[in-house]
Amino acid sequence: NAGVTQTPKFQVLKTGQSMTLQCAQDMNHNSMYWYRQDPGMGLRLIYYSASEGTTDKGEVPNGYNVSRLNKREFSLRLESAAPSQTSVYFCASSVQAIYEQYFGPGTRLTVT
Amino acid sequence: ILNVEQSPQSLHVQEGDSTNFTCSFPSSNFYALHWYRWETAKSPEALFVMTLNGDEKKKGRISATLNTKEGYSYLYIKGSQPEDSATYLCASLNTGTASKLTFGTGTRLQVTL
Repeated sequence: NAGVTQTPKFQVLKTGQSMTLQCAQDMNHNSMYWYRQDPGMGLRLIYYSASEGTTDKGEVPNGYNVSRLNKREFSLRLESAAPSQTSVYFCASSVQAIYEQYFGPGTRLTVT
Repeated sequence: ILNVEQSPQSLHVQEGDSTNFTCSFPSSNFYALHWYRWETAKSPEALFVMTLNGDEKKKGRISATLNTKEGYSYLYIKGSQPEDSATYLCASLNTGTASKLTFGTGTRLQVTL
């Protein structure tokens, strides 16, 4: 099992460009999450999907959209990147919210 | 937005020392408390998920306790080793927040020889 995979690992964007971060899990988990990690801020939830077909906003959703493509895949889209979105992005999944989350390796995004 | 706080922010101990850190979380509508270990340049990995007041969990030299009435959890490391160096995150799941964990900012532990 690969667990949770994310692509790309690194990305540099110019302000205003768009991109999609991909996440997939092979553990048959129902719930998937997108977090961003900034120095001194800990992990902050951007969006989550409690189950296939549902998505909900987290703590910091502005500037992002998500798609739960199927049970395995949960993508995060930046429509018009801003320097404030420079961060490390982690995708995670769990059987259900109460259970432990499994994290992907992260995507380091820089917006210039 | 819930407030999950961890202390201390960072900690530096010698190999062989035992240490502990604190996580405080809202006790109202409590559902579960998670602990994660996060090594530099890696991803967070789950240590414990705790739900019951008075719960104690142990994994090797690491253990955790939970007090849901007063809203705190302690993580203990016995006989710290350099490989224990990491950031330890706690996260609270409260029923009012649906399916969302709220993470603290972590305690960064450094163990030196």
